[in-house]
Amino acid sequence: NAGVTQTPKFQVLKTGQSMTLQCAQDMNHEYMSWYRQDPGMGLRLIHYSVGAGITDQGEVPNGYNVSRSTTEDFPLRLLSAAPSQTSVYFCASSYSRGGRGNTIYFGEGSWLTVV
Amino acid sequence: AQSVTQPDIHITVSEGASLELRCNYSYGATPYLFWYVQSPGQGLQLLLKYFSGDTLVQGIKGFEAEFKRSQSSFNLRKPSVHWSDAAEYFCAVGASNDMRFGAGTRLTVKP
Repeated sequence: NAGVTQTPKFQVLKTGQSMTLQCAQDMNHEYMSWYRQDPGMGLRLIHYSVGAGITDQGEVPNGYNVSRSTTEDFPLRLLSAAPSQTSVYFCASSYSRGGRGNTIYFGEGSWLTVV
Repeated sequence: AQSVTQPDIHITVSEGASLELRCNYSYGATPYLFWYVQSPGQGLQLLLKYFSGDTLVQGIKGFEAEFKRSQSSFNLRKPSVHWSDAAEYFCAVGASNDMRFGAGTRLTVKP
């Protein structure tokens, strides 16, 4: 039972480059989301999806793009990387809308450095 | 909008001592409240959650939390800390479409 799988685990990018963080879950969860974690700021929601074909912005969406073509996958795209996007990124999923009390399952994180 | 405050950035306790981590939330209705733990280099693991009913919630690893509506608090407690409890702890409040996390409290356990 893989749960939530994120790749890559570590990545170094140059300013201006683009890349995609992959996220897949095998629990048939409707709700998927991306968070970034920065020291002293906890986790902040970037984008989320309540089902295939439906995405919406979270607290800090600028500079990121998402799509949800299947229930299983929810990739996060950095369009033009900036040093301010250096962070740890977590993908998460839950059976239904996470904020309604359903347990959210997190991936192990992706460490991204933009130089 | 909902928000979570964890007043303590870093706490150090001796092994075997009791622990209380503070969490205060701001939300207009009855909140869904969570505590997560994160070990270094790992993702977040759910310790416990509160939806409704009994205000004292039991979780994994011997942790418990008490919801106090009058104080807008959801403090995490453990009667006797083990060295393996050293980690970062996050309180979160959930509503509608997203979860809001506190900034975290880092726990150091002294031998």
